[in-house]
Amino acid sequence: LAKTTQPISMDSYEGQEVNITCSHNNIATNDYITWYQQFPSQGPRFIIQGYKTKVTNEVASLFIPADRKSSTLSLPRVSLSDTAVYYCLVGDGYGGYQKVTFGTGTKLQVIP
Amino acid sequence: NAGVTQTPKFQVLKTGQSMTLQCAQDMNHNSMYWYRQDPGMGLRLIYYSASEGTTDKGEVPNGYNVSRLNKREFSLRLESAAPSQTSVYFCASGPSGQHYEQYFGPGTRLTVT
Repeated sequence: LAKTTQPISMDSYEGQEVNITCSHNNIATNDYITWYQQFPSQGPRFIIQGYKTKVTNEVASLFIPADRKSSTLSLPRVSLSDTAVYYCLVGDGYGGYQKVTFGTGTKLQVIP
Repeated sequence: NAGVTQTPKFQVLKTGQSMTLQCAQDMNHNSMYWYRQDPGMGLRLIYYSASEGTTDKGEVPNGYNVSRLNKREFSLRLESAAPSQTSVYFCASGPSGQHYEQYFGPGTRLTVT
């Protein structure tokens, strides 16, 4: 099961693009990369999932280099409402899933 | 669609009391999950059910039991509550074969005194 490392916290000003990087050096061939967002007092929200190259949806973009040992969640032009904790998960969803934890994530603080 | 609903939203128990947390989803998902989240920490998986009729232990199953009542409902039971079980409990559901694509309920805040 791939271990992930991401920054504990980040600050950004409103209107800026924010990039949160997750390291997963021992990612396996079948593993996908998934990101969640959690606001205070709410359950996590699925944001985006990818396997390689680039994935984009209405919320964010996910960049995955060819070696797949890291990934970057990109949030364009953040607003105060993007202040949340962001979690990176790596795995294929089978077998070792029961050992998965969300970790402590990256706490993003958007500043006015 | 209501998505994933959980009841109750808040609960206070005394040590040794029992209770059941209810969870239901209307997205026709096969997989359902129970997590706990302690202050300042990430989520930890308690139990999950990959499909109706099956359940499996997660990272922290001790002190809990689950029932997958049907495809929609997945309950979590505390038989004898302990202060260490004070936490926020989240239920989630997801499509088959996609354990990492999950949709969470609003949570139940449980305090055991």
